[in-house]
Amino acid sequence: AQSVSQHNHHVILSEAASLELGCNYSYGGTVNLFWYVQYPGQHLQLLLKYFSGDPLVKGIKGFEAEFIKSKFSFNLRKPSVQWSDTAEYFCAVMGNTDKLIFGTGTRLQVFP
Amino acid sequence: DSGVTQTPKHLITATGQRVTLRCSPRSGDLSVYWYQQSLDQGLQFLIQYYNGEERAKGNILERFSAQQFPDLHSELNLSSLELGDSALYFCASSLLPGLATDTQYFGPGTRLTVL
Repeated sequence: AQSVSQHNHHVILSEAASLELGCNYSYGGTVNLFWYVQYPGQHLQLLLKYFSGDPLVKGIKGFEAEFIKSKFSFNLRKPSVQWSDTAEYFCAVMGNTDKLIFGTGTRLQVFP
Repeated sequence: DSGVTQTPKHLITATGQRVTLRCSPRSGDLSVYWYQQSLDQGLQFLIQYYNGEERAKGNILERFSAQQFPDLHSELNLSSLELGDSALYFCASSLLPGLATDTQYFGPGTRLTVL
C-alpha cells in the first residue's frame, strides 16, 4: 500500500532562514508527487507537483522540491522564508489510482 | 480561489442526524473527490466520481454516501451522525483522472460539528 511520511511535525523558523521539509513515500511503481499548503483557516492550495522529467520542480511563492527516486523522497525547500509562509504543508503521492495519499502534515511557524 | 465551491461553510448538528454537503467542481473538470480532514486521522480520501459514475472508494463509512449529478456537481450525504464525524470535509476536482498530468484542486471545505 502507498504511504507518505513527513518526519517534521512542527518547524519553527525566523524570517530569512532556509527551509527544508522532508517527505518520503513508499510505492514501488511510477508516482506523481505533490506539495499542498494550507494557510490558517483556508483550503489546500497546490504549491508544486512532479510528474516526470526534471527532478527539480519549481512551484509558487519561491518553493521548490527535488524528487530523488533512489531515496523515495520529495523534499520541499525554500531558501528564505517569510512570516507569510506560516502554514501547514502536506506532501501527497498518487500511484496507480487517482486518489491522493497525504502525509500527516508539517506545521511551519515563521517568526519575524 | 481554486474554482471549486462548497456549501455550506459550517454545519452544526446533533448526533443521529443526517446532513448533505455540496460541491461544484471547477468549470470543465469531470471528476470530483471527497476527503475528510480530522485531527486524529489526518487527510483521508473518501470517494471519487467521474462523469457521474463512482470511480474509486476509500475509507468511507457505510453511513456515508455520495453522488455526482448530470451537471457534475456532487453531494456527500452523512447519516446517523456520531461525534467522531466532526471534521473538515474537502471536495476536490480534476479534469481527467488517469491522465498522468491530472491535478486535483481543492475547495474551501465544509466544517462539520456534531454535538
